[in-house]
Amino acid sequence: EAGVAQSPRYKIIEKRQSVAFWCNPISGHATLYWYQQILGQGPKLLIQFQNNGVVDDSQLPKDRFSAERLKGVDSTLKIQPAKLEDSAVYLCASSPPGRGLTSAEAFFGQGTRLTVV
Amino acid sequence: GEDVEQSLFLSVREGDSSVINCTYTDSSSTYLYWYKQEPGAGLQLLTYIFSNMDMKQDQRLTVLLNKKDKHLSLRIADTQTGDSAIYFCADSGYSTLTFGKGTMLLVSP
Repeated sequence: EAGVAQSPRYKIIEKRQSVAFWCNPISGHATLYWYQQILGQGPKLLIQFQNNGVVDDSQLPKDRFSAERLKGVDSTLKIQPAKLEDSAVYLCASSPPGRGLTSAEAFFGQGTRLTVV
Repeated sequence: GEDVEQSLFLSVREGDSSVINCTYTDSSSTYLYWYKQEPGAGLQLLTYIFSNMDMKQDQRLTVLLNKKDKHLSLRIADTQTGDSAIYFCADSGYSTLTFGKGTMLLVSP
């Protein structure tokens, strides 16, 4: 079974530029998550989708971050404009259907390492 | 808000047992998880425990849960150099995973 695919693996941009990350979840997984992992910390949830609807985006900085999951499959996360403090690894994860929201057995991609200079 | 705390570093010798501890604050957590992260990789789910259980054993892994004290531990028996990684505890209160900062486990030969 193919895992969660993310691209690019690495990205370096200057502050105030924009950047986009792409995620392809495991086939058939209804729930998709974007996490931000700052160096030395645990992942922090940015947004959670159930199919193509948003379940939780309470920690997404909506003035600069946006995410979409058209057709309930692939997802993109965008940052515009980027700040120095956005330097982090952005992890995408997915969960299979039929799971309760509290049974978050999520499968993670390798992440995109973003460096803002 | 929810908070998950872990010790930051643990060093053991190959063949010894490792015990990684975690405390959490969210009493509504239904499941508690242990994830492993190797350098440059995403998070790999190791095991999880349902909140009405005290203990779960899975091969070399033993999870102990003290719900009264909100304390979770992961014991790795016969630790190998390949177990060197960062281990994250996570709880699932309010339908999202809240992670600790991770414990770096270093296994020396």
